[in-house]
Amino acid sequence: AQTVTQSQPEMSVQEAETVTLSCTYDTSESDYYLFWYKQPPSRQMILVIRQEAYKQQNATENRFSVNFQKAAKSFSLKISDSQLGDAAMYFCAYRAGGFSGGGADGLTFGKGTHLIIQP
Amino acid sequence: DAGVIQSPRHEVTEMGQEVTLRCKPISGHDYLFWYRQTMMRGLELLIYFNNNVPIDDSGMPEDRFSAKMPNASFSTLKIQPSEPRDSAVYFCASTRGGPGNTIYFGEGSWLTVV
Repeated sequence: AQTVTQSQPEMSVQEAETVTLSCTYDTSESDYYLFWYKQPPSRQMILVIRQEAYKQQNATENRFSVNFQKAAKSFSLKISDSQLGDAAMYFCAYRAGGFSGGGADGLTFGKGTHLIIQP
Repeated sequence: DAGVIQSPRHEVTEMGQEVTLRCKPISGHDYLFWYRQTMMRGLELLIYFNNNVPIDDSGMPEDRFSAKMPNASFSTLKIQPSEPRDSAVYFCASTRGGPGNTIYFGEGSWLTVV
């Protein structure tokens, strides 16, 4: 079974600074996708960024970028120029690339990292 | 376009009562997921459907939980009888086929069983 580990329960960063959230995962699959979701106090789950495992190039979405290290099974999220609106829980998630059933079609989430932005 | 719509947003019920949570997925999406979020266990996949057919319900905690998807635009998650340990936020999510496609979440149903 796949597992996703986020080792930082909470992180704090000054507004306008850069912060990196860590995520590691365990899988025997070679084809999969990785995601970062943001959950603000409203509880809505919002997709931040997505990475295909077969792509070596790291994904980037505006101020958000990832450092994907496939061999190390590491998928960290970097937030540049942090803003107050970035304060939220951030969840790393894994999804298998094949449709094998047995839960492989759903997302497996880490426990989350609570990001605090200091004004 | 409307997102995934869940109801009710909040529900407080007494132990032993039946609870029904409802979900309308995004039109055209053929996968529907039910997740539960608690402080202790995080986000857990309970069950998912493909083309209205349940594919995997191994995450359903016990027989008190049941889920149905009678058509492509509606799904329910039922708890009968409810217990205090069922208190959680229940999310419905949907996506179009393809593992790399974004899974869109509803705003969640916050259930409190007293």
